[in-house]
Amino acid sequence: ILNVEQSPQSLHVQEGDSTNFTCSFPSSNFYALHWYRWETAKSPEALFVMTLNGDEKKKGRISATLNTKEGYSYLYIKGSQPEDSATYLCAFVTNAGKSTFGDGTTLTVKP
Amino acid sequence: DTAVSQTPKYLVTQMGNDKSIKCEQNLGHDTMYWYKQDSKKFLKIMFSYNNKELIINETVPNRFSPKSPDKAHLNLHINSLELGDSAVYFCASSRTKTNTGELFFGEGSRLTVL
Repeated sequence: ILNVEQSPQSLHVQEGDSTNFTCSFPSSNFYALHWYRWETAKSPEALFVMTLNGDEKKKGRISATLNTKEGYSYLYIKGSQPEDSATYLCAFVTNAGKSTFGDGTTLTVKP
Repeated sequence: DTAVSQTPKYLVTQMGNDKSIKCEQNLGHDTMYWYKQDSKKFLKIMFSYNNKELIINETVPNRFSPKSPDKAHLNLHINSLELGDSAVYFCASSRTKTNTGELFFGEGSRLTVL
């Protein structure tokens, strides 16, 4: 059974704060690591696809790093805005194409 | 046009009934999936089909039977529905089974079993 863990489970920050969350995954059978953003009443949408150890990806105020040797990825949000409020999921992808999702970090940004 | 579409969005039914949820993708992807969002809001994979062939089949009761008539469609049929089947079911697709590309999700189908 693959264990993909995310922390913290939930996070409440003020508008303008920067924040980060962690995704831990097995260091064997790694193929890719995905980050998704899941807004209430919508479906998850991909933020980043990361494949190489040391990868760093950025999209606007959101960035992510990847360490496949130690089995973790960080997601950073700089200057959080209320519209960033969502659940952020990571998914560990094996070479068989199976994506195992973490339980998510739910971010609430207060104006 | 919605990339991954599921029908129905909402389904309320009695225990013991048989029901189906349909999924279609117009992205030209080879691989499709069914995920279940359980009571704790976690996404758990149920099945995956690649080009109409079953490639992932997690520990799911055999009352659940996926059917893929072509690579653009993956339907989920559930026999003898039980209370515990109440959940949101998400369909997703990806370019290929071994591609590192992300999943594209449908909007979910909320099943309520009374």
